[in-house]
Amino acid sequence: EADIYQTPRYLVIGTGKKITLECSQTMGHDKMYWYQQDPGMELHLIHYSYGVNSTEKGDLSSESTVSRIRTEHFPLTLESARPSHTSQYLCASVGGSDQPQHFGDGTRLSIL
Amino acid sequence: DQQVKQNSPSLSVQEGRISILNCDYTNSMFDYFLWYKKYPAEGPTFLISISSIKDKNEDGRFTVFLNKSAKHLSLHIVPSQPGDSAVYFCAASARYVDSSYKLIFGSGTRLLVRP
Repeated sequence: EADIYQTPRYLVIGTGKKITLECSQTMGHDKMYWYQQDPGMELHLIHYSYGVNSTEKGDLSSESTVSRIRTEHFPLTLESARPSHTSQYLCASVGGSDQPQHFGDGTRLSIL
Repeated sequence: DQQVKQNSPSLSVQEGRISILNCDYTNSMFDYFLWYKKYPAEGPTFLISISSIKDKNEDGRFTVFLNKSAKHLSLHIVPSQPGDSAVYFCAASARYVDSSYKLIFGSGTRLLVRP
């Protein structure tokens, strides 16, 4: 059973605020990911990490940033939220090459 | 350009019958394919996967078929149950050439199983 946790589950906040979405996993996985999903659309990779001190941009351009100071923690930050950032943000991690990515329950973000 | 396509946005089947969800891909470097199930306001839940060296993988009521020459895979659910109603995502990865193991997702098919 995968243990990957995201907080908050829901966030409604005003334009211009700084936001940090938390993601933690207890499986010791090196590789972690952030995806963004709009309703009825596919998941798009916005950031990933190979391990501690490694962060890479994904296929979809995003104004967010990430950090990976500890193996278990991969937070995503928006310095100044805008309505265009309204979406669902999903965090995932994976063990070996023959393993599936496991996802958290996501954060549904609404910027007013 | 979408590398993974799910051309049917929705599917409705009767309880007890077979559900067949389809997925096409364009990148011949993909070597690992997965199906995820997603309920609203939750994250995707892994269902079943298949490596490109196989053409079939079965797990209980779920079977995934891979046709590499057609670049097509399908998920069969037999028998379908009302609790299977959800959005199903197909995903692919090119793990042999891309050490990030990142997934490329289709846009999903909403399955409704009618009692």
